[in-house]
Amino acid sequence: NAGVTQTPKFQVLKTGQSMTLQCAQDMNHEYMSWYRQDPGMGLRLIHYSVGAGITDQGEVPNGYNVSRSTTEDFPLRLLSAAPSQTSVYFCASRRSTEVPYEQYFGPGTRLTVT
Amino acid sequence: GIQVEQSPPDLILQEGANSTLRCNFSDSVNNLQWFHQNPWGQLINLFYIPSGTKQNGRLSATTVATERYSLLYISSSQTTDSGVYFCAVYNNNDMRFGAGTRLTVKP
Repeated sequence: NAGVTQTPKFQVLKTGQSMTLQCAQDMNHEYMSWYRQDPGMGLRLIHYSVGAGITDQGEVPNGYNVSRSTTEDFPLRLLSAAPSQTSVYFCASRRSTEVPYEQYFGPGTRLTVT
Repeated sequence: GIQVEQSPPDLILQEGANSTLRCNFSDSVNNLQWFHQNPWGQLINLFYIPSGTKQNGRLSATTVATERYSLLYISSSQTTDSGVYFCAVYNNNDMRFGAGTRLTVKP
């Protein structure tokens, strides 16, 4: 199993540009989520999905969109990038219908918005 | 949302020393994990431990859910243990992280 994969690893955007961060998992997990990590802080939840076609907002959803058309993929879209979105983004997945509900994280995408 | 506090925020050890990291949380939770974020930024699962005690080599963890805290023990620390240790708690869909404990192990 590749686990949770993310692309790209690094990205630089100009203010106002849009882009999509890709996330995929091959563990057949129902639950997938996106987090951002700012310097010196823990991770904060942006959006999550409990299954294909179902998404919901987390703690810091503004400026981001998600969709879940398949179990495997959960892309995160930045609609109009702002410098405040400079951060490291992590995707994660876990089971949600049987224990253990251990969450697994991807390697992260480091995004800089200038 | 649930508040998660970790202590100490920073910890410097000599190689071979033991340490205890603490995680307090403000409400009852069904799930708790400990992660190690290595110097390259990768998040590594250490323990999924909603209650009880687990051990994995030099690391062990204990969660007392009724008292809303968890402890991570690192014995005979090595330089490769350096990094940030995060505690994260969740019930259904909202995983909340503490701010982490930054551990530096000196040779």
